Amino acid sequence: GEDVEQSLFLSVREGDSSVINCTYTDSSSTYLYWYKQEPGAGLQLLTYIFSNMDMKQDQRLTVLLNKKDKHLSLRIADTQTGDSAIYFCAEGQGGKLIFGQGTELSVKP
Amino acid sequence: EPEVTQTPSHQVTQMGQEVILRCVPISNHLYFYWYRQILGQKVEFLVSFYNNEISEKSEIFDDQFSVERPDGSNFTLKIRSTKLEDSAMYFCAKGTSGTGADTQYFGPGTRLTVL
Repeated sequence: GEDVEQSLFLSVREGDSSVINCTYTDSSSTYLYWYKQEPGAGLQLLTYIFSNMDMKQDQRLTVLLNKKDKHLSLRIADTQTGDSAIYFCAEGQGGKLIFGQGTELSVKP
Repeated sequence: EPEVTQTPSHQVTQMGQEVILRCVPISNHLYFYWYRQILGQKVEFLVSFYNNEISEKSEIFDDQFSVERPDGSNFTLKIRSTKLEDSAMYFCAKGTSGTGADTQYFGPGTRLTVL
């Protein structure tokens, strides 16, 4: 069945790069997404990548997609304390999104 | 991208009561979605809605749940007889294509607490 998995926690120092990883099971997913959730807030769309791409860069964010291994990653360059949040990857499946459990990113000054 | 707004931000209800969660206002989008997130768990798809009809629903979306657009703009989720396990954050989302390529924009959520 459809499943998206992420590690639960990541802690980095301010200024370092963060890499959040995600694996998914459905190879027919057309788009893969990254959402950010700050405490008490909704889901903010950060970026997405089309399944025929290997990489997408958007300012400090770099998304890498390894379709063969069904592995998606989000790299945040020069991580700031304001980046502390839960990051969800999601795959698009026929109009619905299947989410991972979220990775809590903690950025220490 | 314009915001998706939801009301109320927090709803407390007694078990067995009906609740209506609202997603307002919605404009220029054709596809609407409800998701829920039980504390500490994944965000789960509930239902998608297009052209005043349900497009897809998950097994969570049983007869206790219903959705509608009562006035052409508001999009509501009704839970007829709430259970303790319905306590969760409920998110509304909007999209444009209803496919796996649809970029969905989420509201801030309604926290439902069933006592």
